Amino acid sequence: GENVEQHPSTLSVQEGDSAVIKCTYSDSASNYFPWYKQELGKRPQLIIDIRSNVGEKKDQRIAVTLNKTAKHFSLHITETQPEDSAVYFCAASRGGYQKVTFGIGTKLQVIP
Amino acid sequence: GAVVSQHPSWVICKSGTSVKIECRSLDFQATTMFWYRQFPKQSLMLMATSNEGSKATYEQGVEKDKFLINHASLTLSTLTVTSAHPEDSSFYICSAIPGTSGVGDTQYFGPGTRLTVL
Repeated sequence: GENVEQHPSTLSVQEGDSAVIKCTYSDSASNYFPWYKQELGKRPQLIIDIRSNVGEKKDQRIAVTLNKTAKHFSLHITETQPEDSAVYFCAASRGGYQKVTFGIGTKLQVIP
Repeated sequence: GAVVSQHPSWVICKSGTSVKIECRSLDFQATTMFWYRQFPKQSLMLMATSNEGSKATYEQGVEKDKFLINHASLTLSTLTVTSAHPEDSSFYICSAIPGTSGVGDTQYFGPGTRLTVL
């Protein structure tokens, strides 16, 4: 089955700096890669996703890159703000209503 | 759009009792829903895939007779924890994929149910 590795497990940055979270996956058939943000005690919220036919996608301060050859994808958050503090999960799926495999999560702390 | 609700949001029960958790897609139909379990400071662990009108597909190591899943309609899936024990205490979250056809990849999560078994 799919195996998704995520690092770092914790990340502290100063407000205004950038944060980068990296993930690798094992299943070459995976073609959908969502990123979720989860605040303490709350549901995971989809923040951005990318499909295998795209190498990069950007939404305001958030961007995701995908390297299918190397089987890795990354989340980039620029100009971090305290409200960005949360746990971020990467995930991989074959799409088509199939299950999603999550990484272990990265706890991001933005220090004011 | 794409709102998923869960009920109850939290429940406390005695050891040996059964607890039912409901997951509803409020503004879309979903043939596929998923049930996850999340321990504190850990990732989401998929328990089973729930398909409307058919039997759920359980992940390895998840007891199907203990965690009963029923997906009776396109907007409702239920998870029943039977004969609950303290080790079943956890945060249970469902998710749903909108649509009965199409790409079928984006999952939307419910708010979760905190189960505490005494």
